[in-house]
Amino acid sequence: KAGVTQTPRYLIKTRGQQVTLSCSPISGHRSVSWYQQTPGQGLQFLFEYFSETQRNKGNFPGRFSGRQFSNSRSEMNVSTLELGDSALYLCASSLDREAFFGQGTRLTVV
Amino acid sequence: GENVEQHPSTLSVQEGDSAVIKCTYSDSASNYFPWYKQELGKRPQLIIDIRSNVGEKKDQRIAVTLNKTAKHFSLHITETQPEDSAVYFCAAAGFQKLVFGTGTRLLVSP
Repeated sequence: KAGVTQTPRYLIKTRGQQVTLSCSPISGHRSVSWYQQTPGQGLQFLFEYFSETQRNKGNFPGRFSGRQFSNSRSEMNVSTLELGDSALYLCASSLDREAFFGQGTRLTVV
Repeated sequence: GENVEQHPSTLSVQEGDSAVIKCTYSDSASNYFPWYKQELGKRPQLIIDIRSNVGEKKDQRIAVTLNKTAKHFSLHITETQPEDSAVYFCAAAGFQKLVFGTGTRLLVSP
């Protein structure tokens, strides 16, 4: 079966702009989590959605938001981009406890 | 909330040696402990996991041990091979949210 799909793979944005990233989970998985990965910081948890509801939230500013649709696809939005938002954004879907990651979206803010 | 510390941040071994990566967690309610391997430019992939009702789990050259009293768990790789070179992440989860360590870069030299 198809894995977790993230689009786009690469993005370049300028400071102050906003961006929307998309994640399509594995069929049947209702939980989608988002992580920010930067060198030396590991995987920082952003938020988790389950059945269209945000179930958990990490310690990120309100500029980072997300949502989940009825088909379990999820989007995350970052408004008023800052240089420090440059990172690899990974989403992961899960059925039970095991998380399956997408290939990520590499966001560069210039 | 949960906090996961991982050591060392980098580990260099010779092919055939063993490698050990250690993690500690803070939330005594955590009961699921997966390990992920991330090769350069690729997504993190689950290599082994352990739940709190067992103290050790083994899969070929990889083993994980868990000490719930001390709140630490370790990944052991025996007979290391160059293809084991990657970044390894530990994680801990209680009810839902997975919290990751900051990663260990393992380099196996031929």
